[in-house]
Amino acid sequence: GAVVSQHPSRVICKSGTSVKIECRSLDFQATTMFWYRQFPKQSLMLMATSNEGSKATYEQGVEKDKFLINHASLTLSTLTVTSAHPEDSSFYICSANAPGLRLFFGSGTQLSVL
Amino acid sequence: GDSVTQMEGPVTLSEEAFLTINCTYTATGYPSLFWYVQYPGEGLQLLLKATKADDKGSNKGFEATYRKETTSFHLEKGSVQVSDSAVYFCALSDRGGGATNKLIFGTGTLLAVQP
Repeated sequence: GAVVSQHPSRVICKSGTSVKIECRSLDFQATTMFWYRQFPKQSLMLMATSNEGSKATYEQGVEKDKFLINHASLTLSTLTVTSAHPEDSSFYICSANAPGLRLFFGSGTQLSVL
Repeated sequence: GDSVTQMEGPVTLSEEAFLTINCTYTATGYPSLFWYVQYPGEGLQLLLKATKADDKGSNKGFEATYRKETTSFHLEKGSVQVSDSAVYFCALSDRGGGATNKLIFGTGTLLAVQP
């Protein structure tokens, strides 16, 4: 079946640094990719939806200048957490689909900001 | 807005025990309902879905019935195996017809099955 690869699986960084998370669709062209975040004991929350070649659509309350999303190709979307702070520590997961395909998820990235 | 509530875990069972993980939802309109499973180190995978009231989704021995009257979509399995140990997420799509573009998830329930 279709595979979505997400890297890194775990990252620890210092406060104030930026972290980039990659999400790749390995065997299909993902016209749409989604980024979710999950805090401990809370639901997976949709952060933004990105369509290839256009600006991402952010959910209410998500800072677009802090969470930069780039979907430059049909197989790659990146989420950059800029100037990360401890409150950004969370589990981030991407998903991807294309017309006629169901949704496929990456394995997630656990971000810890010290 | 739309939301999903599922029972907190972890749920610890012995092999061959009966499993129920409760899930209720609030939604306007007629959402589609899903159960996703995440095995250790892997991404979420669709386990089963139901797109309208009274539909029953089933896969790998798991079942869930879309109950509009109780706004529920409880996950059940008659006899769990150690290999079923995973995190289970209940979700709804605010689009009808099974479209999965925008999902609203519950918190996830960790299931641990002991031999």
